[in-house]
Amino acid sequence: DTAVSQTPKYLVTQMGNDKSIKCEQNLGHDTMYWYKQDSKKFLKIMFSYNNKELIINETVPNRFSPKSPDKAHLNLHINSLELGDSAVYFCASSQSGGITYNEQFFGPGTRLTVL
Amino acid sequence: AQSVTQLDSQVPVFEEAPVELRCNYSSSVSVYLFWYVQYPNQGLQLLLKYLSGSTLVKGINGFEAEFNKSQTSFHLRKPSVHISDTAEYFCAGSEGGSEKLVFGKGTKLTVNP
Repeated sequence: DTAVSQTPKYLVTQMGNDKSIKCEQNLGHDTMYWYKQDSKKFLKIMFSYNNKELIINETVPNRFSPKSPDKAHLNLHINSLELGDSAVYFCASSQSGGITYNEQFFGPGTRLTVL
Repeated sequence: AQSVTQLDSQVPVFEEAPVELRCNYSSSVSVYLFWYVQYPNQGLQLLLKYLSGSTLVKGINGFEAEFNKSQTSFHLRKPSVHISDTAEYFCAGSEGGSEKLVFGKGTKLTVNP
């Protein structure tokens, strides 16, 4: 199936640990994103990469580091996890279109719980 | 900076009733507007989008929205809802063709039998 996939779907971990979430898209898109959805369902963009280059970096703690080994993958590494990091993290992708905006396709989400 | 406001956090309706979910935006430049739906425990799916042209936009699952520049609104409507429409609905905008999407806080639509 053509889609945006994320692993793992659920992640439960202790405070202070380091964890990674992986994202892959096989849609041939050149732009990928990470969003955080908090407990009140509020969605906020964290990062965006275009052709492996960082183009959007919102006010996110340095403990969060995205890595894009190629344009089909955008992984999110989180150091020294805190309780407040508990959320659902969504990966998305789109094809940059210059003056024409192209739809963002979202993955199923990764529910991170920090204990 | 752009902002998107969804005025209702929850909207309960009965099956086959019409529904309108409200969305207002603020932007000093041209804006693209979107409605996404999130079913329980799933990712977001695009319902419809306004980029330019006709202000009445039709989307999937019988939904439509109207872009109103004078009222800075982009309300989502469906003339007759089904139980399966129960979900969280997000209005979003991007400013001046930017890749950055700004989301509203979502409206939980609950369709009751």
